[in-house]
Amino acid sequence: GAVVSQHPSRVICKSGTSVKIECRSLDFQATTMFWYRQFPKKSLMLMATSNEGSKATYEQGVEKDKFLINHASLTLSTLTVTSAHPEDSSFYICSKISNTEAFFGQGTRLTVV
Amino acid sequence: GENVEQHPSTLSVQEGDSAVIKCTYSDSASNYFPWYKQELGKRPQLIIDIRSNVGEKKDQRIAVTLNKTAKHFSLHITETQPEDSAVYFCAAGDYKLSFGAGTTVTVRA
Repeated sequence: GAVVSQHPSRVICKSGTSVKIECRSLDFQATTMFWYRQFPKKSLMLMATSNEGSKATYEQGVEKDKFLINHASLTLSTLTVTSAHPEDSSFYICSKISNTEAFFGQGTRLTVV
Repeated sequence: GENVEQHPSTLSVQEGDSAVIKCTYSDSASNYFPWYKQELGKRPQLIIDIRSNVGEKKDQRIAVTLNKTAKHFSLHITETQPEDSAVYFCAAGDYKLSFGAGTTVTVRA
């Protein structure tokens, strides 16, 4: 099956700093990847659709200047949480679609202190 | 956009009994309906899916039914085991998926 590798799995950062999360497609090129956020015991909320070579499409209510998405290559999409605050603490997870099946990265547990 | 509702939010069953989770969706254009199982702190894993041209699909103890007219689909787990305890999510869409709120399933030994 399609493999998605996400890094780091856990990160603790100070309030006001930025954190970059990487999502790699290991087996085939992915022109589109999705970024989700998941609060404890809650569902996956789509944040944005990452498109290779063009701007990401953000869901309503998601601040594009705070959650910067870069999809510079066909195998790598990055999410940067800028000027992180404690309320940004969450589980972030990426996915890609292969034959309409979604494959997820391992997820990143972000804690902002 | 697509809106997916999932019920119940929690489900506790005795080992060996069946568990049923139901979802409804709003967008009639959705044609793909996967179910994911997520254990604590881990990524969601696909357990079964169904496409709009099929009404039912079964894989061992897991089955999914789809009613496109009523826009609802269900997950059925038979002969539940303690390792079935997890959070289950339904989803609907095509290349872009919308997820239900999740159901925490606890199987009592």
